[in-house]
Amino acid sequence: AQKVTQAQTEISVVEKEDVTLDCVYETRDTTYYLFWYKQPPSGELVFLIRRNSFDEQNEISGRYSWNFQKSTSSFNFTITASQVVDSAVYFCALSKAAGNKLTFGGGTRVLVKP
Amino acid sequence: EAQVTQNPRYLITVTGKKLTVTCSQNMNHEYMSWYRQDPGLGLRQIYYSMNVEVTDKGDVPEGYKVSRKEKRNFPLILESPSPNQTSLYFCASSLDREGQFFGPGTRLTVL
Repeated sequence: AQKVTQAQTEISVVEKEDVTLDCVYETRDTTYYLFWYKQPPSGELVFLIRRNSFDEQNEISGRYSWNFQKSTSSFNFTITASQVVDSAVYFCALSKAAGNKLTFGGGTRVLVKP
Repeated sequence: EAQVTQNPRYLITVTGKKLTVTCSQNMNHEYMSWYRQDPGLGLRQIYYSMNVEVTDKGDVPEGYKVSRKEKRNFPLILESPSPNQTSLYFCASSLDREGQFFGPGTRLTVL
């Protein structure tokens, strides 16, 4: 069975601070996909990134960066110089194939205070 | 604009009154799914479809039906809704090599 754990339920930071969200996953599959989604207060789910299990290269997109470490089954997400608009719930997710069932972690609520 | 649309966005209904939540995508995606989001339980998959006329159960399919007669549409049917189906529902679609793109959500209340 697949499992995704986001141990941090809520993180509160002051604007411009960096914040790192932890994600640890469990799977027996050798091929799998990892995702991060953002759910702002308005409720929609916004796709941020997809990584497959063969690509351990870290990725940076603007103020967002992701660190994938297969050895520790972790796919952590860092927001650099946080802004109030980053306040949201962030979900890490895992799937066996890109279009199949997503197994979500419980989410981490990030509150960025001005 | 590439998008996944759901209707209605909000619905209050009563126990036992059949309802359908529509989902449509304009990206020619093969894969479509339905999820429900509940406090403390997170997001769970209800059903998914890999292509027209190909559907399969997710984690929590009881009380729901789906159909995929056209590639763009994937309606979720509640034949006899009950209060425990009160939830926030999301439809999603994807190509094989991309992430799943979610619709805006449908907030359903069953009284």
